[in-house]
Amino acid sequence: GNSVTQMEGPVTLSEEAFLTINCTYTATGYPSLFWYVQYPGEGLQLLLKATKADDKGSNKGFEATYRKETTSFHLEKGSVQVSDSAVYFCAPTAGKSTFGDGTTLTVKP
Amino acid sequence: DGGITQSPKYLFRKEGQNVTLSCEQNLNHDAMYWYRQDPGQGLRLIYYSQIVNDFQKGDIAEGYSVSREKKESFPLTVTSAQKNPTAFYLCASSIGQGGTDTQYFGPGTRLTVL
Repeated sequence: GNSVTQMEGPVTLSEEAFLTINCTYTATGYPSLFWYVQYPGEGLQLLLKATKADDKGSNKGFEATYRKETTSFHLEKGSVQVSDSAVYFCAPTAGKSTFGDGTTLTVKP
Repeated sequence: DGGITQSPKYLFRKEGQNVTLSCEQNLNHDAMYWYRQDPGQGLRLIYYSQIVNDFQKGDIAEGYSVSREKKESFPLTVTSAQKNPTAFYLCASSIGQGGTDTQYFGPGTRLTVL
């Protein structure tokens, strides 16, 4: 079956710092790769996705590149803001989605 | 506005009682899902449905039941057989169940068993 390993949190950064959240996966076939974000007390929402190898997903300054050779989909942002504080989930999807445990990000002013 | 609604936002139940969580979508999506989220953990799939009148068990279906009589609705019943039902429950939908399809989530229902 599919599985995903996500960088453990919590992660605390100062505003304007660089962010990386690691995500590696195992999957049968060629999954699409998703990052979802969950703000406090809410459901998840799509942050970005990539559907084939070497694709780069991007949104709101966040980026992630589908690396088939290393089975990774690391999330990056060059300069985080306080409003980015949330829980981030990596989710490889091949038919069904498999969600990582989530990484809690706190950005301090 | 299109989206997914879940009600109620907070739900309290006594031990031994069944309770039904509502999930409605007006996105015209074929596929719908129920997940359970526990603190510090990812989402675990309870049930999913690819089409009306059809649904399949997910990874943790024991103690839960669902129905899909209408495309828009996918209610989840937490039965008294569920040993540890206190959790945050999330409903989602997608256009289909293809691997490239984004899932759209409702705001969740927090169930507490007293």
